[in-house]
Amino acid sequence: QSVLTQPPSVSGAPGQRVTITCTGSSSNIGADFDVHWYQQLPGTAPKLLIYTDIYRPSGVPDRFSGSKSGTSASLAITGLQAEDEADYYCQSYDSSLSGVLFGGGTKLTVL
Amino acid sequence: QVTLRESGPALVKPTQTLTLTCTFSGFSLSTSGMCVSWVRQPPGKALEWLALIDWEDEKFYSRSLKNRLTISKDTSKNQVVLTMTNLDPVDTATYYCARIQGGSYNWFDPWGQGTLVTVSS
Repeated sequence: QSVLTQPPSVSGAPGQRVTITCTGSSSNIGADFDVHWYQQLPGTAPKLLIYTDIYRPSGVPDRFSGSKSGTSASLAITGLQAEDEADYYCQSYDSSLSGVLFGGGTKLTVL
Repeated sequence: QVTLRESGPALVKPTQTLTLTCTFSGFSLSTSGMCVSWVRQPPGKALEWLALIDWEDEKFYSRSLKNRLTISKDTSKNQVVLTMTNLDPVDTATYYCARIQGGSYNWFDPWGQGTLVTVSS
């Protein structure tokens, strides 16, 4: 069981906005460790989507945005497209475990 | 361009030791701030962090797997090796290596394509 909790699934119609949450605790997100997000298309390796809470790597559309508050972080996707259908993972660091944490992943379905 | 590629056996028997190699290009593990990490993903399940090695040869392990893992580097060959002992069918997964810059707090980018390891007799 991941210490970073994500909803197993979210869905939305093309053009809509969806949000994926990543809930942690005082030893990880709440301790102000950075949160990073990855997109994993079916059958492929994860790809960096958001780093250090809010920053997009070059080439990632501005439809993707990240935020963080307290012990949670969120990934928002606006203007949903069919190609956004994938699994999304959050990642942070945990001081109690002294190691890297991944969330349990969220499967996005574009209806 | 930074690339990483995992290699190793596709099939391992229970109780055996797994040795995986990550061969990378486009950066050097002797450069300050550079790190390589291993992550695995059982079929249909979430990502799980395993281990990280940094430019100073400092090593960090998942607490739950620490006793079974060893990570090492060969800077001259641009390779990082992960060994996992006493394999069990639950260790069946795709194993990825990825670069991190600056340490465990930072992000994984890029990732290798992954290598599927099946543990079965």
